[in-house]
Amino acid sequence: AQSVTQLDSQVPVFEEAPVELRCNYSSSVSVYLFWYVQYPNQGLQLLLKYLSGSTLVKGINGFEAEFNKSQTSFHLRKPSVHISDTAEYFCAVSDIQGAQKLVFGQGTRLTINP
Amino acid sequence: DAGVIQSPRHEVTEMGQEVTLRCKPISGHNSLFWYRQTMMRGLELLIYFNNNVPIDDSGMPEDRFSAKMPNASFSTLKIQPSEPRDSAVYFCASSLTSGSRETQYFGPGTRLLVL
Repeated sequence: AQSVTQLDSQVPVFEEAPVELRCNYSSSVSVYLFWYVQYPNQGLQLLLKYLSGSTLVKGINGFEAEFNKSQTSFHLRKPSVHISDTAEYFCAVSDIQGAQKLVFGQGTRLTINP
Repeated sequence: DAGVIQSPRHEVTEMGQEVTLRCKPISGHNSLFWYRQTMMRGLELLIYFNNNVPIDDSGMPEDRFSAKMPNASFSTLKIQPSEPRDSAVYFCASSLTSGSRETQYFGPGTRLLVL
């Protein structure tokens, strides 16, 4: 079984500042890693995913994430945030060899202050 | 292109009533997922289908919940009888194939309140 821990439930930052949202996972098998974003009153939307290859993954809206196997982490970063990035961000994993089930973290609410 | 469509968007009902949530996946997608989102438990997978066949329903809370997918373009999640603790946002998602690497595309959700 897999589990995902998002270390911060809320992250407030000022506009144009950098941000890092932390994600750690636990799994006895190899996993794929995902970041989804949920804007207010909307469904989830994929930001990026790590499947294989380069450990630095670039996604939409200027976000990127780095897979660190030794630390079992997949932290999400953006060098300069905008008011429109205000949303909830979810890290998720799925078993490479197993069923098509996503296990989500509890989410991190990113609030951008002007 | 139309995304995943869910109806209704909001539902308010009284305890004991039957509730039916509906989902139309993206055309051509062959996997469909039902999730529940609450403050306490976060996002939980309830059930998923592949080619209209239920593959894993281990997340369905109890016998009061049932889900069907009669064809590739329609699925329902039914709660009978409903209870206040069922209040949550229910999401439907679909993906192109059944691989665990596939992106899931989420609908806007149905916000359910059981009084």
